[in-house]
Amino acid sequence: EAGVVQSPRYKIIEKKQPVAFWCNPISGHNTLYWYLQNLGQGPELLIRYENEEAVDDSQLPKDRFSAERLKGVDSTLKIQPAELGDSAVYLCASSNTGELFFGEGSRLTVL
Amino acid sequence: GENVEQHPSTLSVQEGDSAVIKCTYSDSASNYFPWYKQELGKRPQLIIDIRSNVGEKKDQRIAVTLNKTAKHFSLHITETQPEDSAVYFCAATADNAGNMLTFGGGTRLMVKP
Repeated sequence: EAGVVQSPRYKIIEKKQPVAFWCNPISGHNTLYWYLQNLGQGPELLIRYENEEAVDDSQLPKDRFSAERLKGVDSTLKIQPAELGDSAVYLCASSNTGELFFGEGSRLTVL
Repeated sequence: GENVEQHPSTLSVQEGDSAVIKCTYSDSASNYFPWYKQELGKRPQLIIDIRSNVGEKKDQRIAVTLNKTAKHFSLHITETQPEDSAVYFCAATADNAGNMLTFGGGTRLMVKP
């Protein structure tokens, strides 16, 4: 069975440019998460979906970040415009009964 | 909200020695405590977890202990091997379904052959 799939794995952009990350969770997992992981730190929750509903987005910087999970399966996370401080790894995770399964992450570098 | 502190931030041991990583949490309602291992450039993966109704759980060379009174839990790795080298994250949540995990800052474990 495929795990959580994320793309792109790496992205380099200049500041003020937009960027989007895509996540395909494990089949059948209703809960999907986006986490931010800065270098040398633990993951920090950005947003959590239950099916297509965003049930916790309190940590998502809504002025520049947006996310969607239209059909309750795949999800995209967008940043527009990107800032230097957004350089980090963006991790997607999914779960069904509690255990979180993470994707490989999308490493963003903003120049 | 929950706050999880993890110590030490780096730990170097000789192969065959034991390693202990400690975490404290702030929310007394927290009842689920997983540990994740993240190898360089790879995804975090669950290695062991414990719920608040038990004080200790063991799986081969790894074990986790929980002290609810003191609000701390620890990861113990015995007979360390070079492949144990990674960053380890503890986490805690008061959500029975395991949602809303708050992660510690991570411990970089280096096992020297």
